Amino acid sequence: DARVTQTPRDKVTEMGQEVTMRCQPILGHNTVFWYRQTMMQGLELLAYFRNRAPLDDSGMPKDRFSAEMPDATLATLKIQPSEPRDSAVYFCASGLVRGRGDTDTQYFGPGTRLTVL
Amino acid sequence: RKEVEQDPGPFNVPEGATVAFNCTYSNSASQSFFWYRQDCRKEPKLLMSVYSSGNEDGRFTAQLNRASQYISLLIRDSKLSDSATYLCVVNRGAGNNRKLIWGLGTSLAVNP
Repeated sequence: DARVTQTPRDKVTEMGQEVTMRCQPILGHNTVFWYRQTMMQGLELLAYFRNRAPLDDSGMPKDRFSAEMPDATLATLKIQPSEPRDSAVYFCASGLVRGRGDTDTQYFGPGTRLTVL
Repeated sequence: RKEVEQDPGPFNVPEGATVAFNCTYSNSASQSFFWYRQDCRKEPKLLMSVYSSGNEDGRFTAQLNRASQYISLLIRDSKLSDSATYLCVVNRGAGNNRKLIWGLGTSLAVNP
């Protein structure tokens, strides 16, 4: 049963520290999404990759957030420096686009619960 | 006004009841619609896609009303295990600019 994996599952850090979250998409999927979920804002798209190329990162605060896909099996989301307002659950999801440019089902990882003190 | 709006609930219903949720969207050009389910402290999972003709999967029925720009989810014979948050998802844009917009969710609690 193929799944998206994310590490770490929980992270508590102090303001100003660097945080790196990792995601392994489902093998064969060509799209990867990073979302942030809070009670007030719900699920917000931070970044979207297709075939490892970033297509949309307009939802991501550029001054402190960065997202990369060094290879097809790894996506990373980095926050530097972290702030208390970054506290949220960060989900990675992957999917398979079959050439029509549309986004089909997204499969989510278990999320990283980030707390910045 | 949010692009995708849902009644947050909570909806508290007894086992066996029928419950329905609506979700309104503001972008008339939207073409794809989904319902996802999210259990407490878990990740969202696709429940069903919503087609123009409507679709049914067991006890779950999804409908699309383009004229009034809303989608609905009907759950018949509710089970305790149906307790979760139901997220409405609608697409915006096309091609490389296509993205999914998520509602904040409707919370359902099915009681014994």
